[in-house]
Amino acid sequence: DAGVTQSPTHLIKTRGQQVTLRCSPKSGHDTVSWYQQALGQGPQFIFQYYEEEERQRGNFPDRFSGHQFPNYSSELNVNALLLGDSALYLCASSLDRQRYGYTFGSGTRLTVV
Amino acid sequence: GDSVTQMEGPVTLSEEAFLTINCTYTATGYPSLFWYVQYPGEGLQLLLKATKADDKGSNKGFEATYRKETTSFHLEKGSVQVSDSAVYFCALTHTNAGKSTFGDGTTLTVKP
Repeated sequence: DAGVTQSPTHLIKTRGQQVTLRCSPKSGHDTVSWYQQALGQGPQFIFQYYEEEERQRGNFPDRFSGHQFPNYSSELNVNALLLGDSALYLCASSLDRQRYGYTFGSGTRLTVV
Repeated sequence: GDSVTQMEGPVTLSEEAFLTINCTYTATGYPSLFWYVQYPGEGLQLLLKATKADDKGSNKGFEATYRKETTSFHLEKGSVQVSDSAVYFCALTHTNAGKSTFGDGTTLTVKP
């Protein structure tokens, strides 16, 4: 049973560019959340998607947007990249977000230069 | 808002030593509590969970008890192994809420 799959694994972008990260949730999971993890810190919640809609959003600017497809996979888009956007971006899927915890992917390491 | 505070690391132990990593939280209501582990270059893996007060979560020799009176969820293991070396994150999630709130992580290094 495949877990959460993220692509690409590493990415280098130039300041001001746009980036799209992709996530396929664990089989049977219908909810996808995105987190940003800066070096040496815990993950910070970006947003969560359920039934193709953004259900909840963290304290991130509108440059961060997302999408969920009918097959539950998801994309995270970041526009006008800043140096401070360099981080590990984690996708997490769940079926019952409150009781069972998330299944995380290995992440996409984004470096903005 | 919600917050999770973990003991600062890094923590360095010898193999077979006893491990405690402290975690306290601030939240309204009755969140579920989790411990995740992150190995180098990987994402987070759920280690154990507790969904209500006095519950004890356990897995792979690790355990933690949900203490509402002290708002704590300390992680313990009786005898650590070199393979336990990783970063450990404490987290909470509210009922019907989307996000989890994480601590900043505690790095554990176990030496043979």
